[in-house]
Amino acid sequence: GAVVSQHPSWVICKSGTSVKIECRSLDFQATTMFWYRQFPKQSLMLMATSNEGSKATYEQGVEKDKFLINHASLTLSTLTVTSAHPEDSSFYICSAKTGGTEAFFGQGTRLTVV
Amino acid sequence: TQLLEQSPQFLSIQEGENLTVYCNSSSVFSSLQWYRQEPGEGPVLLVTVVTGGEVKKLKRLTFQFGDARKDSSLHITAAQPGDTGLYLCADGGSQGNLIFGKGTKLSVKP
Repeated sequence: GAVVSQHPSWVICKSGTSVKIECRSLDFQATTMFWYRQFPKQSLMLMATSNEGSKATYEQGVEKDKFLINHASLTLSTLTVTSAHPEDSSFYICSAKTGGTEAFFGQGTRLTVV
Repeated sequence: TQLLEQSPQFLSIQEGENLTVYCNSSSVFSSLQWYRQEPGEGPVLLVTVVTGGEVKKLKRLTFQFGDARKDSSLHITAAQPGDTGLYLCADGGSQGNLIFGKGTKLSVKP
């Protein structure tokens, strides 16, 4: 099956710093990638849709200047949390879509901002 | 905005018991997907159903999609500790973006 890899799996950073999370499709080309966040005991909430070579589409309420998304190639999308604050601490998960309807998820990144 | 409600929120059972969890949508599903998520991991797709009334079986898991395509159930027969996890239903939009329910947290004790 299709494999999506996220890096890092977990990260701790200081308030005010920026953190970059990578999402790679290892064995297929993903024209579209999605970024979700999941708070403890909550479901996944879509943050943005990322299309290769174009600007990401953000969901309502998600600050595009704070959560920078770059989808520079068909196998890599990155999410940068800028000027991180403790309330940004969450589990961030990406998914990548093949040509079909199925999307495959990465293993997630646990971000803790101290 | 579509809302997916899952019930129960939590379920703790003994190994060997049967269980059913439910997913109800405020609107008709584009396509219904069931996932299982383990702590600290991303969701793993179990099944996709599209046709109203459709029933799919995956070993001890039986997925049923309502005729009106607004509800679904997941039945597990003879649950095992390995079935422990968060079961999520989701609506798969045409673009691939998913709307998730809050999930049912299942714990199967040996």
